[in-house]
Amino acid sequence: AQSVTQLGSHVSVSEGALVLLRCNYSSSVPPYLFWYVQYPNQGLQLLLKYTTGATLVKGINGFEAEFKKSETSFHLTKPSAHMSDAAEYFCAVSDRSGNNDMRFGAGTRLTVKP
Amino acid sequence: NAGVMQNPRHLVRRRGQEARLRCSPMKGHSHVYWYRQLPEEGLKFMVYLQKENIIDESGMPKERFSAEFPKEGPSILRIQQVVRGDSAAYFCASSYDRANYNEQFFGPGTRLTVL
Repeated sequence: AQSVTQLGSHVSVSEGALVLLRCNYSSSVPPYLFWYVQYPNQGLQLLLKYTTGATLVKGINGFEAEFKKSETSFHLTKPSAHMSDAAEYFCAVSDRSGNNDMRFGAGTRLTVKP
Repeated sequence: NAGVMQNPRHLVRRRGQEARLRCSPMKGHSHVYWYRQLPEEGLKFMVYLQKENIIDESGMPKERFSAEFPKEGPSILRIQQVVRGDSAAYFCASSYDRANYNEQFFGPGTRLTVL
């Protein structure tokens, strides 16, 4: 069974600084990988996903993530943080069986300081 | 094209009452998923349904919880005899196809408070 670990429940960066949110997964087969963002009192919005092909995936709002099989990681990055990036970020993994069995990490709350 | 809709957005119940949470999937989507989010925790899968069928309920508590997705109308998550531990945000998601890279679109959630 697959699982996801997000290192750091809270990350704080200054506006304009690099954002790095860490995600490691455990899966017996190469999985599908996702990053979702959740703003206060809202549902989850898909930022980006990796399914196949290029391992560097670009998403919305300037975010990107790189699938590294050797490290079983899918870290989320953004070169320059903006105040509007403050939110909760969830990494998720799903296997390729088509069962839609998606597992979420515990989340990382990103704070952006002015 | 309206997104996934959930109602009510906030629900308050006293211990022992019933809670009914509704989810209308995106137009054209026939797969519905329910998740529960406890404070300071990630989303926990509860149940996966297609029209008139429960496909996977491995995340559902064995008692008091049930879900349905009838041929007509929204999907319903029903919690009988609620307890304080049921207080959480409940999210519904939908997808077009189970094989569509498992991309799920989420609703805004229902926040259940049990007094």
